[in-house]
Amino acid sequence: AQSVTQLGSHVSVSEGALVLLRCNYSSSVPPYLFWYVQYPNQGLQLLLKYTSAATLVKGINGFEAEFKKSETSFHLTKPSAHMSDAAEYFCAVSDQNSGYALNFGKGTSLLVTP
Amino acid sequence: ETGVTQTPRHLVMGMTNKKSLKCEQHLGHNAMYWYKQSAKKPLELMFVYNFKEQTENNSVPSRFSPECPNSSHLFLHLHTLQPEDSALYLCASSQDLAGNYGYTFGSGTRLTVV
Repeated sequence: AQSVTQLGSHVSVSEGALVLLRCNYSSSVPPYLFWYVQYPNQGLQLLLKYTSAATLVKGINGFEAEFKKSETSFHLTKPSAHMSDAAEYFCAVSDQNSGYALNFGKGTSLLVTP
Repeated sequence: ETGVTQTPRHLVMGMTNKKSLKCEQHLGHNAMYWYKQSAKKPLELMFVYNFKEQTENNSVPSRFSPECPNSSHLFLHLHTLQPEDSALYLCASSQDLAGNYGYTFGSGTRLTVV
């Protein structure tokens, strides 16, 4: 069965610093991988996705993620954090074996300090 | 506006009440989903509909009853709920079940069972 592990339930960075949110997955077949962001009292918004094309994926708001098959990872990065980036971030995986239903990680809460 | 509209945004109900959550999308998507988001837990997939047909019921208790009259509307009928059912209920849609498009989420209904 597929699964997603997000390392660190809380991450704190200073404004202007590098953002790195970690996601590792397990899947016995080629996966599709996604990052979503959730702001307070809102639903989830798609940041970016990997669907077997380029391994470095660029998303909205300056975020990007790199698919590394050898490390089974799909970490999310942003070179310079803004205060507005403070939110909950979810990594998700889907594959053929799961009927392509999205399976989410537990989420990482990003705090940005002045 | 995300393209997926959920009503009501907030709902407080007693354990003996009957209420319904509504989800509507005009994105031309064919698949719709209900997710439950509880504090400290990953998002839980509840139901999947594809072209109005239920394709997955993720062992959800019968006090939750979904209805999908057409590809644009999805309901979740609630009755005799328990306090532990208090959560954010998220509706999502996708182009189809192929998995490579990702989901579009609504803003959710915050349900409190008293």
